[in-house]
Amino acid sequence: DAGITQSPRHKVTETGTPVTLRCHQTENHRYMYWYRQDPGHGLRLIHYSYGVKDTDKGEVSDGYSVSRSKTEDFLLTLESATSSQTSVYFCAISERPDRGAAFFGQGTRLTVV
Amino acid sequence: AQTVTQSQPEMSVQEAETVTLSCTYDTSESNYYLFWYKQPPSRQMILVIRQEAYKQQNATENRFSVNFQKAAKSFSLKISDSQLGDTAMYFCAFTKALGGSQGNLIFGKGTKLSVKP
Repeated sequence: DAGITQSPRHKVTETGTPVTLRCHQTENHRYMYWYRQDPGHGLRLIHYSYGVKDTDKGEVSDGYSVSRSKTEDFLLTLESATSSQTSVYFCAISERPDRGAAFFGQGTRLTVV
Repeated sequence: AQTVTQSQPEMSVQEAETVTLSCTYDTSESNYYLFWYKQPPSRQMILVIRQEAYKQQNATENRFSVNFQKAAKSFSLKISDSQLGDTAMYFCAFTKALGGSQGNLIFGKGTKLSVKP
């Protein structure tokens, strides 16, 4: 299995509070992604990174920001959590996106109450 | 924009039998990759099989094979000799190839497969 660790695995937070999810990889892959999974929607891309300090928006980026100061770490921040951000969040990594295929972390279940 | 459609929200199959999951997609790209991911109750996303659009030969991985029909934009997954451990959500996914692709995956909504003993 690819070396991807997400933390925390579960979190409950209150509306309006900031939340940061962490993705750590040991594979030295250049590309990292954050997806969210909601019933009836499959997985949707939030943000991705194609190198240290290089990030871009995905399909559902509103309300989220990311940072990547080191190759191995990709942080997802909800500046002010809302109930609509209750979801399961997946980090993924890819060495060769031009050949497709990404490998996923275990997911983080975030509940905003 | 690319879209991926899985028209079967749920399916069931008896153990040891064969089942086929459907996926269609829409794109104007000529070169791309298609994938099937499996998500068991553990929530882990597991890559099952990958198909490169410019390869006419259908991909196979042990009991898993695909029927890739490029003109029809169809990409179905066949599971032979179904096992209880195949019980999972299955997602079809698409990504552009080359030309500055960043590897962003477009997913279908998934098919929940139950394998019954």
